[in-house]
Amino acid sequence: EAQVTQNPRYLITVTGKKLTVTCSQNMNHEYMSWYRQDPGLGLRQIYYSMNVEVTDKGDVPEGYKVSRKEKRNFPLILESPSPNQTSLYFCASSSGTEAFFGQGTRLTVV
Amino acid sequence: GIQVEQSPPDLILQEGANSTLRCNFSDSVNNLQWFHQNPWGQLINLFYIPSGTKQNGRLSATTVATERYSLLYISSSQTTDSGVYFCAGRPTSGYSTLTFGKGTMLLVSP
Repeated sequence: EAQVTQNPRYLITVTGKKLTVTCSQNMNHEYMSWYRQDPGLGLRQIYYSMNVEVTDKGDVPEGYKVSRKEKRNFPLILESPSPNQTSLYFCASSSGTEAFFGQGTRLTVV
Repeated sequence: GIQVEQSPPDLILQEGANSTLRCNFSDSVNNLQWFHQNPWGQLINLFYIPSGTKQNGRLSATTVATERYSLLYISSSQTTDSGVYFCAGRPTSGYSTLTFGKGTMLLVSP
């Protein structure tokens, strides 16, 4: 089954404790991206990748890192999480046309 | 970047009613999609519809690319249709952010 898999689905962490949210797709898509969703602000892109080793900033990249060492994986790294990064995060992949989204990761930073 | 305006922002229906949701874009877009976010937060792909009309069961969508808008029709609504409906698109020039509208929150009551 074609899918985008994120882990974990839910995470509560403390300020400053590094964390990684994993994202994997099995559709051989070139494009992958990360979004965050906040009430009243909608979905906003954090980072995107057009292929292996090619990444670029989206609209809200501050406080996040990404890497694309393999085509199928695109982890999101929070080196020092802060409470304002509490949000619902989505990973997406695309061949350049239709985008497919993961199940979402609900992150709470206390 | 492009602006995406969705209307109405909120909609309450009785089960069995029909509805039309609208999405306007400030500029020409590619890769127009409609999503349903269910109460568990998952983003479900409804339609990939850069132009023309598509139907899937009780749902159908029409995009008039030259006039920069898209419509989502829901017929004979059911309580399981409740949730938030988003449209999203990319600017026509190059690969870029998939920009989302703020969504239409739909509540279907029994």
